[in-house]
Amino acid sequence: DIQMTQSPSSLSASVGDRVTITCRASQSISSYLNWYQQKPGKAPNLLMYAASSLESGVPSRFSGSGSGTDFTLTISSLQPEDFATYYCQQSYSTPYTFGQGTKLEV
Amino acid sequence: QVQLVQSGAEVKKPGASVKVSCKASGYTFTSYDINWVRQATGQGLEWMGWMSPNSGNSGCTQKFQGRVTMTSDTSISTAFMELSSLRSEDTAVYYCARVRYYSDNSGYHRPIFDYWGQGSLVTVSS
Repeated sequence: DIQMTQSPSSLSASVGDRVTITCRASQSISSYLNWYQQKPGKAPNLLMYAASSLESGVPSRFSGSGSGTDFTLTISSLQPEDFATYYCQQSYSTPYTFGQGTKLEV
Repeated sequence: QVQLVQSGAEVKKPGASVKVSCKASGYTFTSYDINWVRQATGQGLEWMGWMSPNSGNSGCTQKFQGRVTMTSDTSISTAFMELSSLRSEDTAVYYCARVRYYSDNSGYHRPIFDYWGQGSLVTVSS
């Protein structure tokens, strides 16, 4: 199975900050990397796919990059509604494993 | 609008089985695969497997082989996930998710989970 490792596990930030979350795969996954946002008590929500493609309806302050084994999710200017947990997921091969999550806190 | 509505919370004893339902609306049910993902309290997301309402085919990760059955009833646009031989470690929220495929430059189709159910809490306790 492909292991996905996110860093940091938690991150303290303020409204207006620029933040970056990193995701590393245990082997090359090309650009088959997706990002999800999850708020407490809610289902995950798709933010980005194919490493850098923004899902429809997702604000443009979210961006993604990377290929191979190293990927990043960047939020250019944090908004109050962005405080949540973020997960990366590889869709290169089954099982479609997720990272352990990055909790973005005030 | 696309919606996936899951069945309610369940409490089961160790060794029992649970069947979670996921009713789809707002799209053609047979045109999209359904995947199942679970999340233990305070933990991350764990992909369990997939099923195709169109073909009836399914597959799951090795961890669940022999214990999980993923099916659907197209007449009521509902997918089901049944997990047997329950143990305490199976206590989690179980999510269904609709899968949309995108094509990359190489022509491969890759899955993304674009709509999710609200989750069904399954508690396994004696």
